[in-house]
Amino acid sequence: ILNVEQSPQSLHVQEGDSTNFTCSFPSSNFYALHWYRWETAKSPEALFVMTLNGDEKKKGRISATLNTKEGYSYLYIKGSQPEDSATYLCAPWRSGGSNYKLTFGKGTLLTVNP
Amino acid sequence: GAGVSQSPRYKVAKRGQDVALRCDPISGHVSLFWYQQALGQGPEFLTYFQNEAQLDKSGLPSDRFFAERPEGSVSTLKIQRTQQEDSAVYLCASSLDLGDYGYTFGSGTRLTVV
Repeated sequence: ILNVEQSPQSLHVQEGDSTNFTCSFPSSNFYALHWYRWETAKSPEALFVMTLNGDEKKKGRISATLNTKEGYSYLYIKGSQPEDSATYLCAPWRSGGSNYKLTFGKGTLLTVNP
Repeated sequence: GAGVSQSPRYKVAKRGQDVALRCDPISGHVSLFWYQQALGQGPEFLTYFQNEAQLDKSGLPSDRFFAERPEGSVSTLKIQRTQQEDSAVYLCASSLDLGDYGYTFGSGTRLTVV
């Protein structure tokens, strides 16, 4: 069983604040890491797929970094807006075997107060 | 269609009742996945199809759960004799092919067993 930890579990910030959260995963047999954003009553939306150690990806005010050797990824949101309120999920993919399965963490629930 | 469509959006079932959840993947997507998200948890893998072939059903929690994709497009997840612990959001995702990074999720079906 792949152990994927996300912290914090939940986070409340004020509009305009910048924030970040963590995803930890086993570094062995690493293949890729997915980040998803899931708003209530909507479908999970893919944010990033990261594969290389040291990778840094950006989409608007959201960016992510990846450290495959130590098994963690950070997601950063700059200048949070109420519309950023959602659950952010990470899911590593391992190489070999049934690597098509996504093993999700429990997510970080972000609430941005106006 | 433009996205992955799931129906119904919400389902309330009495304990012991059978339910069927439907997933319409994106047209032409070969791979189809079902995930279960219980309250407070991340989505967990249930089963995977490539076209009509069910290649992995290792995540199905019991023999009361059954999934099919007879013509390689629409898939149905059936739960027989529902129990309270079956209450969850059931997510369907599709991708063009195995290993394709572009997983698209539906909005899910929220099943409540009373």
